[in-house]
Amino acid sequence: GEDVEQSLFLSVREGDSSVINCTYTDSSSTYLYWYKQEPGAGLQLLTYIFSNMDMKQDQRLTVLLNKKDKHLSLRIADTQTGDSAIYFCAESKPGGYQKVTFGTGTKLQVIP
Amino acid sequence: NAGVTQTPKFRVLKTGQSMTLLCAQDMNHEYMYWYRQDPGMGLRLIHYSVGEGTTAKGEVPDGYNVSRLKKQNFLLGLESAAPSQTSVYFCASSAGQGYDYGYTFGSGTRLTVV
Repeated sequence: GEDVEQSLFLSVREGDSSVINCTYTDSSSTYLYWYKQEPGAGLQLLTYIFSNMDMKQDQRLTVLLNKKDKHLSLRIADTQTGDSAIYFCAESKPGGYQKVTFGTGTKLQVIP
Repeated sequence: NAGVTQTPKFRVLKTGQSMTLLCAQDMNHEYMYWYRQDPGMGLRLIHYSVGEGTTAKGEVPDGYNVSRLKKQNFLLGLESAAPSQTSVYFCASSAGQGYDYGYTFGSGTRLTVV
């Protein structure tokens, strides 16, 4: 299977941490990504993790990968109102081209 | 830094009309993609191209055609628009397979078919 699943909605208060979760089914995934989509815009790559890594930190963003459970999470520390957006998890697999499967997206609402 | 540019940004079509969406990238990327985004369904791949002169079908290719005559351009055509094709269309490009740079997306075309 090639499903990538995410919860649809998350609401947090400004200053709190946000954790957005994603599960995937294909164990052959090579890279896993997090994209951010702001209203009226295209998707923007936030960060990625290679499948042989457990964790990656980039400023306020922490990506955790549990390969055994096929679970990926994105933690945003000190969440700001500018973080309000839809966050997409995506996986890529080896093949004839860089086949990428996107999740359905999680809408993050940050309450001031 | 233009990146990926899509035109038009908005369009309203009547059922049965045809149109072409244009995607242009200035990053010399080999791979280009067309996705549609519908509420609750995420992004679904329509067609893609692995290089100039090549195209291939994605998950939902029916009702669409594509062409990649020049490396920097990827055109998506709707021959006879249907209300089911009302969606937001995104073009993306990538340097190639196995890269850790992900995709670069355009800002989208919002298409309504009435």
